[in-house]
Amino acid sequence: SAVISQKPSRDICQRGTSLTIQCQVDSQVTMMFWYRQQPGQSLTLIATANQGSEATYESGFVIDKFPISRPNLTFSTLTVSNMSPEDSSIYLCSVEVMDTGELFFGEGSRLTVL
Amino acid sequence: QKEVEQNSGPLSVPEGAIASLNCTYSDRGSQSFFWYRQYSGKSPELIMSIYSNGDKEDGRFTAQLNKASQYVSLLIRDSQPSDSATYLCAGEYNFNKFYFGSGTKLNVKP
Repeated sequence: SAVISQKPSRDICQRGTSLTIQCQVDSQVTMMFWYRQQPGQSLTLIATANQGSEATYESGFVIDKFPISRPNLTFSTLTVSNMSPEDSSIYLCSVEVMDTGELFFGEGSRLTVL
Repeated sequence: QKEVEQNSGPLSVPEGAIASLNCTYSDRGSQSFFWYRQYSGKSPELIMSIYSNGDKEDGRFTAQLNKASQYVSLLIRDSQPSDSATYLCAGEYNFNKFYFGSGTKLNVKP
């Protein structure tokens, strides 16, 4: 498995501001992903964080709104830009472990936008 | 469009019974499947992974995969109140992308 530290665990933000979420994993992993989970819903993949290059975004998500960085194999950030109440959600960092191909999640960042 | 379908529940079982959770998937190219447990307010926790047709057992949990029918299930034996949670089924495609079902809420009654 992998130990994933994600912060902040929660935050309350004002409309129009931006928030950066950090994700640190305790071992080198091949893939890092960012998911969103809206209340009562399942997980939606936002993007794959690629080391040293631009993230790969899923349909409906764009870099201007969700810029992602991954400077090395164990760290990534997701920024939620120009927030609106519709961005209120839980954002989850996840990693795929090399040996098993299994996906593990951080504890999540619960974001509330007023 | 990659899809995983699950009955949203809630599925209610008495303590000690067998809970049976099911999902179907749309992508025949998917090779790997996973079951996650998610407690309210917490992040998903991996319970089982299964890659081959047939059954895979781990303690009280048994995962079953039938690729011909595109069907994955999870059996929980001797269900406990602590098993009450939402169970997410997930499939992997393109060797690194995971897609999730909407989850089945399980309620184990003491």
